[in-house]
Amino acid sequence: NAGVMQNPRHLVRRRGQEARLRCSPMKGHSHVYWYRQLPEEGLKFMVYLQKENIIDESGMPKERFSAEFPKEGPSILRIQQVVRGDSAAYFCASSPSETTSGNTIYFGEGSWLTVV
Amino acid sequence: QKEVEQNSGPLSVPEGAIASLNCTYSDRGSQSFFWYRQYSGKSPELIMFIYSNGDKEDGRFTAQLNKASQYVSLLIRDSQPSDSATYLCAVIGLTGGGNKLTFGTGTQLKVEL
Repeated sequence: NAGVMQNPRHLVRRRGQEARLRCSPMKGHSHVYWYRQLPEEGLKFMVYLQKENIIDESGMPKERFSAEFPKEGPSILRIQQVVRGDSAAYFCASSPSETTSGNTIYFGEGSWLTVV
Repeated sequence: QKEVEQNSGPLSVPEGAIASLNCTYSDRGSQSFFWYRQYSGKSPELIMFIYSNGDKEDGRFTAQLNKASQYVSLLIRDSQPSDSATYLCAVIGLTGGGNKLTFGTGTQLKVEL
């Protein structure tokens, strides 16, 4: 977990508001992955990004969700018009390059979103 | 059929016993296999990875992979109460790019005194 920074750690939003979750990868890592974990469930892949590019967004809901990883600054997962079903833990992971060595993937501590 | 399947448990074992956790996967071309431990309210922690058929041992943990049967397992010897957690099996397949992990729903392990 060391090095992948996520904030905020806990976020409460009312229905209809926007949630922005930020992830700073480990130093030297240019690949970022977002996962969502609903209560009592496993992690579900959402999106894979490299700097300024979305590589795989096959796990992203079609509406209200977007992600970016700009040239400068953290990766951001944005959820518009949140609903109660968006309440979950959102984990970010980073890796240094595109390899199949998953042992180089490091997870952040997660951001817990609660929609009231 | 789910891509990665695990029994949700809970699996209860007495302290000092061997805990056996199982996982099956559907993508026959899957390359890499991982076991993560997750404590409640925490992020996943990688404890084992395996790429080749057979056994891989690391301390009290042994990962076993059988690609022909599309089966991967984790054995925890001399189980301790601190091992009580949810164990997530994850796979990197051929589809998609990079290190996209596909997770099972996890097996809850309870080690009882």
